[in-house]
Amino acid sequence: KAGVTQTPRYLIKTRGQQVTLSCSPISGHRSVSWYQQTPGQGLQFLFEYFSETQRNKGNFPGRFSGRQFSNSRSEMNVSTLELGDSALYLCASRSTGELFFGEGSRLTVL
Amino acid sequence: SQQGEEDPQALSIQEGENATMNCSYKTSINNLQWYRQNSGRGLVHLILIRSNEREKHSGRLRVTLDTSKKSSSLLITASRAADTASYFCATNGRGSTLGRLYFGRGTQLTVWP
Repeated sequence: KAGVTQTPRYLIKTRGQQVTLSCSPISGHRSVSWYQQTPGQGLQFLFEYFSETQRNKGNFPGRFSGRQFSNSRSEMNVSTLELGDSALYLCASRSTGELFFGEGSRLTVL
Repeated sequence: SQQGEEDPQALSIQEGENATMNCSYKTSINNLQWYRQNSGRGLVHLILIRSNEREKHSGRLRVTLDTSKKSSSLLITASRAADTASYFCATNGRGSTLGRLYFGRGTQLTVWP
């Protein structure tokens, strides 16, 4: 069974631009969560989706948004990028309690 | 904050020794999970222990949970160099959705050959 796939793995953007990150969950998993990891703040929850509905949202500004498609694939978008948005963005899917993470998308904002 | 706090922040041991990491948290939980992360990579799920469980084993891993003290420990027996990684505890708060975890800052484990 293929794991969680995140694309792109690495990207560099400049301040003010926007970015879209993609996540394909494990086949059969309908729940997808997104996390941001930075050296300063550690791992922080962004959103959780289940069957195309946002079920939970972390404490991030409105520049951070996401969605889930009918095939359970998910995307997150960050608009008007700031230097502080540089981070490893991790997607996880689950069927029961355990979360299975992808390798992440490393975003650098210059 | 519900975030767990791991202790110690860093641990350095020789191959063959046991490694013990502790985690404390602040609120009632549905479950507590441990994850491993190799540098710059994704997180790998190690073990989940539910709030009504006290101890769980998986291979060389042993996890305990004391809900009265709001603490957990992860024991890795007979450590190997390949166990070198960061280890995180994560709690799923009671009343929260299952996909929302609160992570601690992690313990950096180094196992020397």
